[in-house]
Amino acid sequence: DQQVKQNSPSLSVQEGRISILNCDYTNSMFDYFLWYKKYPAEGPTFLISISSIKDKNEDGRFTVFLNKSAKHLSLHIVPSQPGDSAVYFCAASVQTGANNLFFGTGTRLTVIP
Amino acid sequence: EAGVTQSPTHLIKTRGQQATLRCSPISGHTSVYWYQQALGLGLQFLLWYDEGEERNRGNFPPRFSGRQFPNYSSELNVNALELEDSALYLCASRGGPSNTGELFFGEGSRLTVL
Repeated sequence: DQQVKQNSPSLSVQEGRISILNCDYTNSMFDYFLWYKKYPAEGPTFLISISSIKDKNEDGRFTVFLNKSAKHLSLHIVPSQPGDSAVYFCAASVQTGANNLFFGTGTRLTVIP
Repeated sequence: EAGVTQSPTHLIKTRGQQATLRCSPISGHTSVYWYQQALGLGLQFLLWYDEGEERNRGNFPPRFSGRQFPNYSSELNVNALELEDSALYLCASRGGPSNTGELFFGEGSRLTVL
């Protein structure tokens, strides 16, 4: 049972435009959410996180939005750059620092120059 | 500072054989996690080791096992390999005073079962 879902396996956007990656979860106990980015032949790297006490967290070009009532979060990248092309994984856990992260299936973002 | 390292990078086995994958965490990290990424699926939690003990395991059969050594490195063993065990196996580590939930991943070991 996939508790974290990324329903779009792929997304293509033009360089300079906004990329919006979506993630839905089913477990209402999740209260900490993370995004990881993965390049081919590399392990996932942490990108940005958000706690359930917030509805937005921003770090440079990356912003994560959390809608707890809808059990939905999204990652906005603006402006998108070709170097952002990668697979993005959404992850969730019960409590910050919890020892089990539940990952989505990933969305492959392609930024077209 | 060296990141999480995994070996081998690629491993090819046949059904019924055993596979052993190895992981060295970031220096100072005491927790090691193993994840499986099969084709079309997200990262599925396999095992968590901390201070040499298995602390938690995911929904995988007992033929998936492992251990953590005194230097905090870890091994993942998969016995009686099946075709569906073909996947990328990712190791991650965490530790130190910053308990933020962030895991640091290695590059993975790709296991192919023929």
